[in-house]
Amino acid sequence: DQQVKQNSPSLSVQEGRISILNCDYTNSMFDYFLWYKKYPAEGPTFLISISSIKDKNEDGRFTVFLNKSAKHLSLHIVPSQPGDSAVYFCAAISAGGTSYGKLTFGQGTILTVHP
Amino acid sequence: NAGVMQNPRHLVRRRGQEARLRCSPMKGHSHVYWYRQLPEEGLKFMVYLQKENIIDESGMPKERFSAEFPKEGPSILRIQQVVRGDSAAYFCASSQTDGLNTEAFFGQGTRLTVV
Repeated sequence: DQQVKQNSPSLSVQEGRISILNCDYTNSMFDYFLWYKKYPAEGPTFLISISSIKDKNEDGRFTVFLNKSAKHLSLHIVPSQPGDSAVYFCAAISAGGTSYGKLTFGQGTILTVHP
Repeated sequence: NAGVMQNPRHLVRRRGQEARLRCSPMKGHSHVYWYRQLPEEGLKFMVYLQKENIIDESGMPKERFSAEFPKEGPSILRIQQVVRGDSAAYFCASSQTDGLNTEAFFGQGTRLTVV
């Protein structure tokens, strides 16, 4: 049962353009959402997060949008740079239960930014 | 301040042997999470531990897998009698608290290969 879904396995973008990575979730208990970036042979690194009480969070070139009614979030990177090429994971945390920090990950989207 | 340290980075085991994966959380962090990434898949939660306590092991296979986080020393993920299907990248993450908005920091992972 995939509670967090990233339906695009890969995305290719030209340098300088906008990259939009999408994520859908099914569990209405998810209350906090994060994006992680991962290079090959390395661990995921935190990129940006958003609480369910917000619909937008911005940090430099990265903006995350949350549409709670649609159970959808997206990560916008603008302008895209070749160094952004990596796997991007969407993750969610449930406010209920005993494991507040437990992350449920999507399958990941491979972003390639061409010079 | 060193990040999350995992060792070994690469581990090769024959079928039937035991694998021990170690994770030293960031200084001051008392919450440890283990995740597994199978080929072509996203990261899957395995277990959440605090010092000397297993809080949530809902993602752990029922047999052969165990985890501990002793009062002193690293967290250990132990896989007994490994099989080829255990080949994966195992990531450890640590956080300072279990609060909803707490960022988890990941180690670089241990790549287990069962031959």
